[in-house]
Amino acid sequence: EPEVTQTPSHQVTQMGQEVILRCVPISNHLYFYWYRQILGQKVEFLVSFYNNEISEKSEIFDDQFSVERPDGSNFTLKIRSTKLEDSAMYFCASRFSGRATETQYFGPGTRLLVL
Amino acid sequence: EDKVVQSPLSLVVHEGDTVTLNCSYEVTNFRSLLWYKQEKKAPTFLFMLTSSGIEKKSGRLSSILDKKELFSILNITATQTGDSAVYLCAVNSGSARQLTFGSGTQLTVLP
Repeated sequence: EPEVTQTPSHQVTQMGQEVILRCVPISNHLYFYWYRQILGQKVEFLVSFYNNEISEKSEIFDDQFSVERPDGSNFTLKIRSTKLEDSAMYFCASRFSGRATETQYFGPGTRLLVL
Repeated sequence: EDKVVQSPLSLVVHEGDTVTLNCSYEVTNFRSLLWYKQEKKAPTFLFMLTSSGIEKKSGRLSSILDKKELFSILNITATQTGDSAVYLCAVNSGSARQLTFGSGTQLTVLP
């Protein structure tokens, strides 16, 4: 069964460093999302991406964040200058197009720790 | 602001028990409600509900939506230790179909 994959599974970085989290969505999906989950808290929406542009973003998704689909398969989240509070599990999700197919499928996540 | 509230926050039962997990929501543009199971990492999809009163069923799990009263329940019958997980309720309401999640219910099934 096709699945969303994410790399790396864990990332440790120093405050102020840039990190890039990578995702490979399910191959025929057209809508892509990033969510994060701070330890012990809710899963929160960050950004959605369709047709090579951001379609919606939350208040969390400030200028430090960016997303890109550099080729036909990868979908990346970049954090330009990490802060301690960026430590969280980051999930990528994707879904197919169409009103009847709103189910989002999640990847296994990248656990980011900012020291 | 869209809101999803789950109850109880945690539940401990013994194998064979039946459990009911609750999810209520207040959103501006409801499209669908989804249930996920989260064990170690990624939420795994269980059900998507769009219409009131139609029960979705998969083995020992079932779920139903009430769009008038703005809630959904997830039932698990004859629980097993493998059902131990966090069960997440999420509502699809945004223009980009983004999900708003509840805090989850931590279910622990004891042998």
